[in-house]
Amino acid sequence: KNEVEQSPQNLTAQEGEFITINCSYSVGISALHWLQQHPGGGIVSLFMLSSGKKKHGRLIATINIQEKHSSLHITASHPRDSAVYICAVKEGNTPLVFGKGTRLSVIA
Amino acid sequence: DTGVSQNPRHKITKRGQNVTFRCDPISEHNRLYWYRQTLGQGPEFLTYFQNEAQLEKSRLLSDRFSAERPKGSFSTLEIQRTEQGDSAMYLCASSWHEETQYFGPGTRLLVL
Repeated sequence: KNEVEQSPQNLTAQEGEFITINCSYSVGISALHWLQQHPGGGIVSLFMLSSGKKKHGRLIATINIQEKHSSLHITASHPRDSAVYICAVKEGNTPLVFGKGTRLSVIA
Repeated sequence: DTGVSQNPRHKITKRGQNVTFRCDPISEHNRLYWYRQTLGQGPEFLTYFQNEAQLEKSRLLSDRFSAERPKGSFSTLEIQRTEQGDSAMYLCASSWHEETQYFGPGTRLLVL
């Protein structure tokens, strides 16, 4: 089974800072997902990627297949970005395996 | 379409009681997934359906748990003889084949 590790576990940033959240996994994958979970439980899918880099607004996700590592970057962070960010990986037809999440707090 | 919905949003029950949760997926999605999430942890896969067929079940899904998707639309997850360890958030998601999964708001279960 794939082991997914995220760092840091908790992160506090000032509004406007550039933020990086890391994800590493142990076994080769077919896709990696970044998800956002707000208090109360709702989960939103941010990115699904299998190589390279994707950008959506202030969010950027990158993946290095050889190093089994992905990063999620948030530029010009804002208090509304405060949430738990979860990395999840998929190998072929196996179910998603999730990390424990990174809790981000952005202070105005 | 209003997205994935789950009912109830919260459930408090006494140990030993049976509970049933419902998930209504996005209408055109053929896959439906159930996950469980405990405090401070990421979600864990329980089971998934493609149309009405249950294709995979996790070892986490003991024989007290059963899930159905009788007409390939909504799904129910039943827990019989609940235990305190069943207390968790139960999340449902749907997708079109292997594409992006869309999550519901979850059902938070507390077993006293």
